[in-house]
Amino acid sequence: GQNIDQPTEMTATEGAIVQINCTYQTSGFNGLFWYQQHAGEAPTFLSYNVLDGLEEKGRFSSFLSRSKGYSYLLLKELQMKDSASYLCAVKDTGRRALTFGSGTRLQVQP
Amino acid sequence: DAGVIQSPRHEVTEMGQEVTLRCKPISGHDYLFWYRQTMMRGLELLIYFNNNVPIDDSGMPEDRFSAKMPNASFSTLKIQPSEPRDSAVYFCASSPGRDPGSDIQYFGAGTRLSVL
Repeated sequence: GQNIDQPTEMTATEGAIVQINCTYQTSGFNGLFWYQQHAGEAPTFLSYNVLDGLEEKGRFSSFLSRSKGYSYLLLKELQMKDSASYLCAVKDTGRRALTFGSGTRLQVQP
Repeated sequence: DAGVIQSPRHEVTEMGQEVTLRCKPISGHDYLFWYRQTMMRGLELLIYFNNNVPIDDSGMPEDRFSAKMPNASFSTLKIQPSEPRDSAVYFCASSPGRDPGSDIQYFGAGTRLSVL
């Protein structure tokens, strides 16, 4: 089985940097995904990590440490539109479905 | 591409009624997933298909739930009879299926179901 933990809520200021952490336990790791979900909308793909290290994509970066079962999503130059839930999801080997964490609701304040 | 299309967007029904949710995946995608999202349990997998064949239905709550994929462009999730605890947002997602690891799932807009 899998266990994925994320903080429930975070607040940050426009223009700042925020780091959203995710820890996971899984029997066979085959990748970690981050999705963004605005209220009342569908989750949309942000990033994918399968090897240790940092993946950068514009204002968003995602980091993975497989030995620690740990990932974070880094959002830079925060904008009001970044207010959303951020879902960490893990894929097991031999399985195509994702197991999602409960999500972190980020509120960006002026 | 129009993306994953789900219908209806909202459904309000009474306990005991049959509910059918519909999904059209992205053309050319080999995998289709049904998820359910609630405040209490988050986003949970119900079932997924590969090339129209159900692969893993371990997340289907009970016999009241059934899912079919009669062809590559259409899937249904049926609840019969519905109960208030089935109230949730039901998402359909599809993925190309080319790489087991990096395969990205694309989600539809969801169906918000309320069972009174």
